[in-house]
Amino acid sequence: EVQLVESGGAVAQPGGSLRLSCAASGFIFDDYTMHWVRQVPGKGLEWVSLITWDSDTTYYGDSVKGRFTISRDNSKNSLYLQMNSLKSEDTALYFCAKDSLVGATIGEGMDVWGLGTLVTISS
Amino acid sequence: DIQLTQSPSFLSASVGDRVTITCRASQDIKNYLAWYQQTPGKAPKLLIYAASNLQSGVPSRFSGSGSGTEFTLTISSLQPEDFATYYCQQLNIYPPITFGPGTKVDV
Repeated sequence: EVQLVESGGAVAQPGGSLRLSCAASGFIFDDYTMHWVRQVPGKGLEWVSLITWDSDTTYYGDSVKGRFTISRDNSKNSLYLQMNSLKSEDTALYFCAKDSLVGATIGEGMDVWGLGTLVTISS
Repeated sequence: DIQLTQSPSFLSASVGDRVTITCRASQDIKNYLAWYQQTPGKAPKLLIYAASNLQSGVPSRFSGSGSGTEFTLTISSLQPEDFATYYCQQLNIYPPITFGPGTKVDV
């Protein structure tokens, strides 16, 4: 079964750091670009970051650029998001998602999603 | 950045209704548009990719059309499990990849 399972969400203080993880199974992880997408509860979807299959290319949304770092370990079938200098507006459910096309930087959509991990930034 | 707008933002419908949701892009995105369905407490689900291609396993009552700046998602006969929020997403000009604000389909 194709599956993504996020972990690492927690309550953190403004200015603090968190590291999210996403464990992948059921597909050839190192064939695909992977994404992080977040959602404030009750609100819409916001793309956060992507990393290509070979880690050569990373992109970030403007709201997290310079604060968040995406990485992956293909030997462990795992995706990560290091979140620094956290702000209250980073409070959200964070999803990892698999891109749809083998070897593409960005394919035609995100065809597998995890259930998300909740990050709450509060003093 | 490419801005996506969706209309309507809320849609009241009944089982069996034909439902159409529109997504407009602020620039030409060719056919690099996807549609997602999200029900409360669940992750988004890919329905349509490349504007008009049905994702594997998605019922044929869902269809997508359009190119350039105007796109539509149509549900030909609404089923109880289709009451959800629908998002469009552009993947042509990035970063960032952008989502529309969503359309909630409710009773």
